[in-house]
Amino acid sequence: AQTVTQSQPEMSVQEAETVTLSCTYDTSESDYYLFWYKQPPSRQMILVIRQEAYKQQNATENRFSVNFQKAAKSFSLKISDSQLGDAAMYFCAYRSALRQGAQKLVFGQGTRLTINP
Amino acid sequence: NAGVTQTPKFRILKIGQSMTLQCAQDMNHNYMYWYRQDPGMGLKLIYYSVGAGITDKGEVPNGYNVSRSTTEDFPLRLELAAPSQTSVYFCASSLLGGTSGYTFGSGTRLTVV
Repeated sequence: AQTVTQSQPEMSVQEAETVTLSCTYDTSESDYYLFWYKQPPSRQMILVIRQEAYKQQNATENRFSVNFQKAAKSFSLKISDSQLGDAAMYFCAYRSALRQGAQKLVFGQGTRLTINP
Repeated sequence: NAGVTQTPKFRILKIGQSMTLQCAQDMNHNYMYWYRQDPGMGLKLIYYSVGAGITDKGEVPNGYNVSRSTTEDFPLRLELAAPSQTSVYFCASSLLGGTSGYTFGSGTRLTVV
């Protein structure tokens, strides 16, 4: 079974600085999808960024980018120019691509990010 | 443009009571999911559905039941509530089985006392 590990329960960063959140996963599969979700105090789960394992190019979405290291099974999230609105819990998630149909997302434990003004 | 709507947002149940958590989506997604989030933990899959009339168990289905009579609605039933079911419950939906990610509802915080 696949597992996702976020080794940083909490992180903090000064506003306007850059922060990197870590995520590692364990799988024997070669094709899969990886996601970062943001959960602000409102509890809403918001998709931040998505990476397809067969694509070598790292995904980027505005100030958010990932460092995807397939051999190391690492998928870190970099937030540039941190803003107060980035404060949230961030979850890394894995989805197998082996079969079609509904496949569960496997979530890490989350990293709570605090932005210091 | 409501997305995924969950009701209620908060609920307190006594041990042994039953209730239904409602979930509706207006995006014509075939796939719908129920997850629970325990404090300090990630989300765990309870049940999922690939379309009207089709449901299947996830990782932690014990104590829950679901039905999917329409594409839009996917209610979660808790029978004989127990303190171990105290959690935040999320409903989600997706196209393409979730390869593009899910759309989540805003969650229901349930406390069983």
